[in-house]
Amino acid sequence: GAGVSQTPSNKVTEKGKYVELRCDPISGHTALYWYRQSLGQGPEFLIYFQGTGAADDSGLPNDRFFAVRPEGSVSTLKIQRTERGDSAVYLCASSLNLPGAGELFFGEGSRLTVL
Amino acid sequence: TQLLEQSPQFLSIQEGENLTVYCNSSSVFSSLQWYRQEPGEGPVLLVTVVTGGEVKKLKRLTFQFGDARKDSSLHITAAQPGDTGLYLCAGAGAGNNRKLIWGLGTSLAVNP
Repeated sequence: GAGVSQTPSNKVTEKGKYVELRCDPISGHTALYWYRQSLGQGPEFLIYFQGTGAADDSGLPNDRFFAVRPEGSVSTLKIQRTERGDSAVYLCASSLNLPGAGELFFGEGSRLTVL
Repeated sequence: TQLLEQSPQFLSIQEGENLTVYCNSSSVFSSLQWYRQEPGEGPVLLVTVVTGGEVKKLKRLTFQFGDARKDSSLHITAAQPGDTGLYLCAGAGAGNNRKLIWGLGTSLAVNP
C-alpha cells in the first residue's frame, strides 16, 4: 500500500523481554517520527529521523529505548527489558522534507502490552 | 518548554449541536495543525493554519488561528455521529524545527 505500515499491530510480552517494532514509511519521505500514545491522550514524541540519522532523540524516556533507520527508509524501535509502564500504542509517522512542519502521515500503530 | 493546552478534554453532545474546541499556549507557533484520530488508527491531518487571524473552513468545521499565533479553535456546526473521535492540535516552532508540540486531545462523542 501507499501508506505508513507498522508491524506488529499488536504485541503482548512479559516484563523484562526485548521488543522490536517496525515502521515502513511512505516512499520518498525522508522524515520519520516515532510517538507513544496512551488511551485518549495526545502523541508523546520519542524520536525524529532525517534520513538515516536521528535528528532529535530527546523524547526517548531512558536508555532502554533505541531506534535505528540504517538505510533511510524502514525504521525499528527497540525496547530492552520491557516494563509494564511501556504499555502503549507506538505510532510511526513520515513526512516530506519540506521547510517547517509539513503534514505527518501516521501508521495505525503497534499496540504493546507488557504483562 | 512549549506547551499546548486543549479544552475541553472530553465532550459528549447530541447530534445537531454545535461545539468549539480550544487549543492555547503561551508560545508563538509558526503554524498549527489539527488532526482527527479514530480508534485503532493514526491521526489524520484536517488542516494547517499559518497566518495569524487565519480562518479555514472544511465543510462543517471552522478553524481559526489566533492573531498572535498562540492559540487556535475548532468549531463544528451541526455535529454528526461521524464526527466522533479524538481531535488533536499540534504546533510547529519557528524555522526548520520539525518537532511538533502536541496537545493532549479532545475526545468528542456525538450521540445520535
